[in-house]
Amino acid sequence: GAGVSQSPSNKVTEKGKDVELRCDPISGHTALYWYRQSLGQGLEFLIYFQGNSAPDKSGLPSDRFSAERTGGSVSTLTIQRTQQEDSAVYLCASSSRGTSGDTQYFGPGTRLTVL
Amino acid sequence: QKEVEQNSGPLSVPEGAIASLNCTYSDRGSQSFFWYRQYSGKSPELIMFIYSNGDKEDGRFTAQLNKASQYVSLLIRDSQPSDSATYLCAVISNRGSTLGRLYFGRGTQLTVWP
Repeated sequence: GAGVSQSPSNKVTEKGKDVELRCDPISGHTALYWYRQSLGQGLEFLIYFQGNSAPDKSGLPSDRFSAERTGGSVSTLTIQRTQQEDSAVYLCASSSRGTSGDTQYFGPGTRLTVL
Repeated sequence: QKEVEQNSGPLSVPEGAIASLNCTYSDRGSQSFFWYRQYSGKSPELIMFIYSNGDKEDGRFTAQLNKASQYVSLLIRDSQPSDSATYLCAVISNRGSTLGRLYFGRGTQLTVWP
C-alpha cells in the first residue's frame, strides 16, 4: 500500500477484555515496529519485527502484551485482560530493512481507551 | 540517563522568526538522527534525517549534527503558524541487541503566533 495502515482507528473496551490491534506496513518493508504514546508522554518502544521474527521485544510492558507477524507483512498486537493504564495511542511503523539509518514511517495509530 | 533529551518547551516564536529546537543523545555510537513533526491527534511524520556532521538544509528546515558533542538541532526559518506542532527528535540505536530501535525524545511543543 501507499503507507502504513492501522485498524481500528479507535477502540473502546472494558477493563479485563482482550483487544487486537492490526498493522499493515508499507509493501516490501521487512521491518515493523510497535510504539505507544500515552497522554502527554513520549513515544515508547514496544517490539520490533524483522520479517516474521521479533529480535527485540524488550519494550513489551508485561506478559499481557504479545505480538505476531505473519507472511512478513501484517502484524497484530494483542493486549489481554486490559487495564486502564493501557489506554494510549498505539503506533506502528515500518522501514525497508530495519538497519541503522533506515527511516521509519508511521501509521495513523489506534487510540485505545480502557474504561 | 535518558537516551534522548529535548527541551520540552513550550517554545513560542512570532511568525517569520527562526525557531531553534535542540536535542542531545547518550549513545556515542549512534549514526542516524531524525526529526519528526507531530500535530495534535496525529501520528509523527518525518521532516528530516541527518547522518553526517554539519548542516543539512531542506527548504525552510536545517538540521545540524555535532557527533562530538552528541547534539542535534533543527532550525525552522521563516516560521509559519502551520509549523505549530510537537517536534520529536529520534536516534536509531546502533547497539547489537537494539539495532534499529528508534529512541525518541519527549518532544518540544512549538507555537508560532501570527
